[in-house]
Amino acid sequence: NAGVTQTPKFQVLKTGQSMTLQCAQDMNHEYMSWYRQDPGMGLRLIHYSVGAGITDQGEVPNGYNVSRSTTEDFPLRLLSAAPSQTSVYFCASSSVMHEQYFGPGTRLTVT
Amino acid sequence: AQKVTQAQTEISVVEKEDVTLDCVYETRDTTYYLFWYKQPPSGELVFLIRRNSFDEQNEISGRYSWNFQKSTSSFNFTITASQVVDSAVYFCALSMEYGNKLVFGAGTILRVKS
Repeated sequence: NAGVTQTPKFQVLKTGQSMTLQCAQDMNHEYMSWYRQDPGMGLRLIHYSVGAGITDQGEVPNGYNVSRSTTEDFPLRLLSAAPSQTSVYFCASSSVMHEQYFGPGTRLTVT
Repeated sequence: AQKVTQAQTEISVVEKEDVTLDCVYETRDTTYYLFWYKQPPSGELVFLIRRNSFDEQNEISGRYSWNFQKSTSSFNFTITASQVVDSAVYFCALSMEYGNKLVFGAGTILRVKS
């Protein structure tokens, strides 16, 4: 039982490049979310999903796309990376009991 | 709109001191959930506690205790006899019933010195 896994752990992109951050969970949780963590701001919700095929925007969705084709996977796509997207990204999953389990994070730098 | 405020940006204590981390929240919903997470220097987020809005009982877990007061919209966290291993960033968070979306406070950096 791996919990929530994220790949890669570190990534450096150039402005304008695109990439996908991978997230997977093996707990059969309905809910999955993506957050970004910036210094002094806590974590902010980017996108979330309440089940396969259903996604919605969070507080800071601009520049990011998501899809949820399976219960297990919830990838986050950066369409055209910008320096403002330099951050640590966390994926989380939870059940109807509302406790969220977080992945180990992806540290992204956009130059 | 929901909001979580952790007014203490950074706290430094000496080992064995008690320390309280403050959390004040705002929401118009009658059903909500409050959380505390710990982020040690290694960077992962560790779940500490969840509290439902309809359960105001305080909770104690070892050296940790939580005081939930709906009247003041506060959910404070106390560490008794702090240890160096308690050094971390602590986040308070709020979620509504639907979607499990968490709204986080900015976090409090706790430094425990030996």
